[in-house]
Amino acid sequence: AQSVTQPDIHITVSEGASLELRCNYSYGATPYLFWYVQSPGQGLQLLLKYFSGDTLVQGIKGFEAEFKRSQSSFNLRKPSVHWSDAAEYFCAVGRSGGSNYKLTFGKGTLLTVNP
Amino acid sequence: GAGVSQSPSNKVTEKGKDVELRCDPISGHTALYWYRQSLGQGLEFLIYFQGNSAPDKSGLPSDRFSAERTGGSVSTLTIQRTQQEDSAVYLCASSLVRRGGELFFGEGSRLTVL
Repeated sequence: AQSVTQPDIHITVSEGASLELRCNYSYGATPYLFWYVQSPGQGLQLLLKYFSGDTLVQGIKGFEAEFKRSQSSFNLRKPSVHWSDAAEYFCAVGRSGGSNYKLTFGKGTLLTVNP
Repeated sequence: GAGVSQSPSNKVTEKGKDVELRCDPISGHTALYWYRQSLGQGLEFLIYFQGNSAPDKSGLPSDRFSAERTGGSVSTLTIQRTQQEDSAVYLCASSLVRRGGELFFGEGSRLTVL
């Protein structure tokens, strides 16, 4: 069965600092990988996704993520964090070869941004 | 509408009562999902509908939970004889059915069982 681990429950960074959120997955084949962001009281919004090809994917709001098969990781990065990035971030894995229903989500990482 | 719409946004109920949560997906999206989000637990898959196919109910936690989707559009999640552990945010999402189709989420229905 597929699973996702986000090792960091809560991260605090200063505005303007760089950010990396960790995500490790377990899946028997090449996965579909996603990062979603959830602002307080809001639904989830897709930041970026990886299916195949270039292992470095660019997303919205200046985020990027790198798929590393050897490490089973899909870490999310941003070079300079803005106060508006404060939110909860979820990594998810879906099965390849079909529609990506039944996405498995990690437990999320809450990001706090200090001024 | 432009996005996935869920109602009610907040529901407070007493233990033992039944509740219904509604989801109106994006027009044209044939796939519809229900997830449950509990504090610190991430998102838990509940059920998936795709067109006229039999729904995947494998994530429903007990037989007190049921869901239906009428006319391939609006879906209702029903929780019977609610328990305090049912308190959570229930998220609905919809998507086009294609490889890697993005899930679009509603803002959720927050259920509090007293």
